[in-house]
Amino acid sequence: NAGVTQTPKFRILKIGQSMTLQCAQDMNHNYMYWYRQDPGMGLKLIYYSVGAGITDKGEVPNGYNVSRSTTEDFPLRLELAAPSQTSVYFCASSMTETQYFGPGTRLLVL
Amino acid sequence: AQSVTQLDSHVSVSEGTPVLLRCNYSSSYSPSLFWYVQHPNKGLQLLLKYTSAATLVKGINGFEAEFKKSETSFHLTKPSAHMSDAAEYFCVVSDLTNTGNQFYFGTGTSLTVIP
Repeated sequence: NAGVTQTPKFRILKIGQSMTLQCAQDMNHNYMYWYRQDPGMGLKLIYYSVGAGITDKGEVPNGYNVSRSTTEDFPLRLELAAPSQTSVYFCASSMTETQYFGPGTRLLVL
Repeated sequence: AQSVTQLDSHVSVSEGTPVLLRCNYSSSYSPSLFWYVQHPNKGLQLLLKYTSAATLVKGINGFEAEFKKSETSFHLTKPSAHMSDAAEYFCVVSDLTNTGNQFYFGTGTSLTVIP
């Protein structure tokens, strides 16, 4: 099992550019989550999904979009990158209460 | 609503001495509680979890935590710190909603281990 994988590991964007952060899991988990982690802060939930075709907003969804066409994949889309979106992004999945995290994507918006 | 407070943003201990990382939570009912560890430039790894069974929970790498409902606390301890324990630690509470589990993270405690 690869667990939860994320690509890319690191990316620099210019203001106004768009990109998709990829997340995949091979554990057949129903639940998937996107978090952002800012320096000195805990993780903030951006979006989550309870299964293919079902997504919902978390605490900080503005500026992001998600889709869940398959159980395995849960991409996060940034349409118009802003400096405030500079952060480390973590994807996680779970079947019950235990979350499994990917290694993170470090994003810098300049 | 659930919330988590980690009382110390930084903790520094000498190698071989005990570790105590403090966590308090607020919850309207019996919560599920977790401790995760994050090593530099890595993802989060589950250390241990409490889900309404035994109040003293043992985790990986010699860590344990005790759920104290009367004090709304879930402090993480280890009898003897190792250099490899230096990392960021997050206390997490989960809330079971009608759309599944949502998780609330503390702001983290950075543990430094001095040789």
